[in-house]
Amino acid sequence: AQSVTQLGSHVSVSEGALVLLRCNYSSSVPPYLFWYVQYPNQGLQLLLKYTSAATLVKGINGFEAEFKKSETSFHLTKPSAHMSDAAEYFCAVSSDSNYQLIWGAGTKLIIKP
Amino acid sequence: DVKVTQSSRYLVKRTGEKVFLECVQDMDHENMFWYRQDPGLGLRLIYFSYDVKMKEKGDIPEGYSVSREKKERFSLILESASTNQTSMYLCASSLWSSGGGELFFGEGSRLTVL
Repeated sequence: AQSVTQLGSHVSVSEGALVLLRCNYSSSVPPYLFWYVQYPNQGLQLLLKYTSAATLVKGINGFEAEFKKSETSFHLTKPSAHMSDAAEYFCAVSSDSNYQLIWGAGTKLIIKP
Repeated sequence: DVKVTQSSRYLVKRTGEKVFLECVQDMDHENMFWYRQDPGLGLRLIYFSYDVKMKEKGDIPEGYSVSREKKERFSLILESASTNQTSMYLCASSLWSSGGGELFFGEGSRLTVL
């Protein structure tokens, strides 16, 4: 069965610092991997997705994520945090054999001025 | 611009009331979903629909039902609301039935049951 683990329910970084949000997954078949972002009082929107093309995936707002099969990880990074990045971030996985998304619990990103 | 619209952003209901949450998408998507979002639990799938009049149970269907009479509209029904159904409800739609499809979400409906 597929599962997703996001390390840290809250992550706090200073403005301008590196953002690193961790996501590990378990899947017995080649996965599709997603990061979604939820800004306060809004629905979720797609940040980026991995679908077996390049292992380094670039998304919106300067975010990127690297698929590492050996580590079963898909961590999200951004070189320099901005106040507008404050939001909750969700990692999710699916596959062709089970296309329903399996969601992580979410990580709330806090940006300190 | 693609859009998923949920009819009510905030609702307050009493225990035992019947509650309707409406969702409309304008993207001609086959698939529609209802999720429940609670802090620390991520998103949990209640029901989904891959075609008009078709529905499938998700992970937590108990206490909920759905209706999809038209392709663009997917309704979530709480027959008799209970306090443990106080939550944020998110509707989503997608075009693909394969694993790589992107979900488009509405802004959510925050339900409080007193």
